Parts: sequence; C-alpha cells; structure tokens
Amino acid sequence: GAVVSQHPSWVICKSGTSVKIECRSLDFQATTMFWYRQFPKQSLMLMATSNEGSKATYEQGVEKDKFLINHASLTLSTLTVTSAHPEDSSFYICSARSGDSSYEQYFGPGTRLTVT
Amino acid sequence: AQSVAQPEDQVNVAEGNPLTVKCTYSVSGNPYLFWYVQYPNRGLQFLLKYITGDNLVKGSYGFEAEFNKSQTSFHLKKPSALVSDSALYFCAVRDWEDNYGQNFVFGPGTRLSVLP
Repeated sequence: GAVVSQHPSWVICKSGTSVKIECRSLDFQATTMFWYRQFPKQSLMLMATSNEGSKATYEQGVEKDKFLINHASLTLSTLTVTSAHPEDSSFYICSARSGDSSYEQYFGPGTRLTVT
Repeated sequence: AQSVAQPEDQVNVAEGNPLTVKCTYSVSGNPYLFWYVQYPNRGLQFLLKYITGDNLVKGSYGFEAEFNKSQTSFHLKKPSALVSDSALYFCAVRDWEDNYGQNFVFGPGTRLSVLP
C-alpha cells in the first residue's frame, strides 16, 4: 500500500515552454502533497506544500508564478513549470501524506526535467 | 527549527563488513526520524523510522538504526554490507510537536559505496 506515482518519469522541453508533472496517490487519499527539487549530488529541497482544495504554500525563494501547483483532488497534484529555462533542469520529487498518518510521507519516483 | 546533519559525504566499506551511516539531528521537541535510500535517477525508498518505543529500529533490507536521545543521533547500520547497498542515503527528521510544520527536513545525504 501507500504508493505514489509521478508522470512523466523524464521530460525534455525547449526553453520558454511549460511542462506539467503529475503526482498521484494510487491507494490512499492524500490530504497533503509536497513538492521537492533535487540538484545533482544534493539533498531534497522543499518547494511547496499543497492541501487538497486550497492554495499551495511556497517556501521562501520559490516563485509561485513560475511553479504552479494544483491539488484538485485527494489523489492528484500537479506541478507546472512555466516558461522553463535551463536552470530549471532538475529532479522533481513529490510526496504525499494521508489524513490518517500524522507523520509519514510516501515519495514518488521522481521526474527528471531537462530544459534545452 | 529542525535540522539534520550527516557528517560524512561518502562512506566506503568492503562487502561483508559492517556499515554505519551517521546522522545527528536537532529539534525543539521530540523527533520523528527516518532513513531513506535513493538509487540513481530514482525517488526515495523508505528504509525505517523511529516514532516512539524501542530505541533500536529494524527496517528493510537488513538495515537497522539506533535512536540515542542524549547524543541526538540516529545512525544507520547493517551487519554485513552488500554491493547492492551502494546508493545515496538520507536521514530526515520531523518535530512531532510541530503540528503546523508538516514537512520533513532532510540531511545532505551520504553516498555509500560497497566495494566487492
């Protein structure tokens, strides 16, 4: 149980275009989802926290107009990188927390974004 | 504020030998502690967690960790390392009294190399 999927697993896009990444909880309802970014050989950095049906809370330094997060249902959150630039190239990982678990998060497999 | 330190960027160990990956933490209250493993271009896989109870926690793939409150440590151990254990290991903490801070704080990661 507690499986989180991400789609796509990798994507290449041209500079200036937008890319949408999906995060789904497959067998539980995720009241809260988290989006992380990971640069090569570095740790995970939290970008934003989203609760179903409400606006995401962004961490300091993360541009909310550039990284659009939507948590429209209890099983789906999306991250859209708008007007992508090469410096947005990174590994994006989502995680989900169910309302039944106050302390545990379940991580998706990650999405590798390359902007050319 | 919570923080996690993993003092070693890299740990090398011979196959069959015991391994230890170190983690120390800082929280204002009581900690929830986690270990995750990450293989190249993959998301995080859960290994084990400490919430309460027995200080020695056993997890997946033969790993275990010992919670030491006085030393604020949660070192990951395995009695006999396998080459397939070679990966990036992350320690994470959450303050269980922090009801509003739902996210984990991750350590910088330790790269484990098990040599045949």
